Amino acid sequence: DTGVSQDPRHKITKRGQNVTFRCDPISEHNRLYWYRQTLGQGPEFLTYFQNEAQLEKSRLLSDRFSAERPKGSFSTLEIQRTEQGDSAMYLCASSPSRDRAPSGNTIYFGEGSWLTVV
Amino acid sequence: QKEVEQNSGPLSVPEGAIASLNCTYSDRVSQSFFWYRQYSGKSPELIMSIYSNGDKEDGRFTAQLNKASQYVSLLIRDSQPSDSATYLCAVRGDFNKFYFGSGTKLNVKP
Repeated sequence: DTGVSQDPRHKITKRGQNVTFRCDPISEHNRLYWYRQTLGQGPEFLTYFQNEAQLEKSRLLSDRFSAERPKGSFSTLEIQRTEQGDSAMYLCASSPSRDRAPSGNTIYFGEGSWLTVV
Repeated sequence: QKEVEQNSGPLSVPEGAIASLNCTYSDRVSQSFFWYRQYSGKSPELIMSIYSNGDKEDGRFTAQLNKASQYVSLLIRDSQPSDSATYLCAVRGDFNKFYFGSGTKLNVKP
């Protein structure tokens, strides 16, 4: 396994611009998660995919946020019309289904994508 | 929504001492609990998981779970400066959604 990879690692953007983050999960992990973490807080759940289906979205995910996982492999998280309050680290994580692997009880994080909105 | 509470710290201990980190959770039906370590600017990394009441030891780390009191703790023996980090407590919900506390910052002084 090469681990969960995220791109870009850092992004500085002007308020009002759109940004997109990409996540490549561990191969064959069918579950993929996006979290957001701000300074001094723990990661907050944003959304979850089982294969290509987006099964749950947090109320934290406003209409300006959209996530996709078109082929059940990599995922993108797009933020439209960014605001300063969007500045955070966006974490992607993946896991196998619990019934497919003993390690299905936990999730594996990527290194995160830092967003700064100026 | 599962609530996970942690003291934000910082918790300062001298090198070689035992560091004790605590966490409480709100949902009585929660079954799986995790401790993650997060260095500044980095993503969380899993240290330990615990599912049954009692203690679970892994090297210098011991996780303790008391479901009746809805309490989870992490003990770090022989603390090292490299243990200085923020420690996140997490509870697993449906479909492997994890709910995190805000973390406790640990400083180990040489």
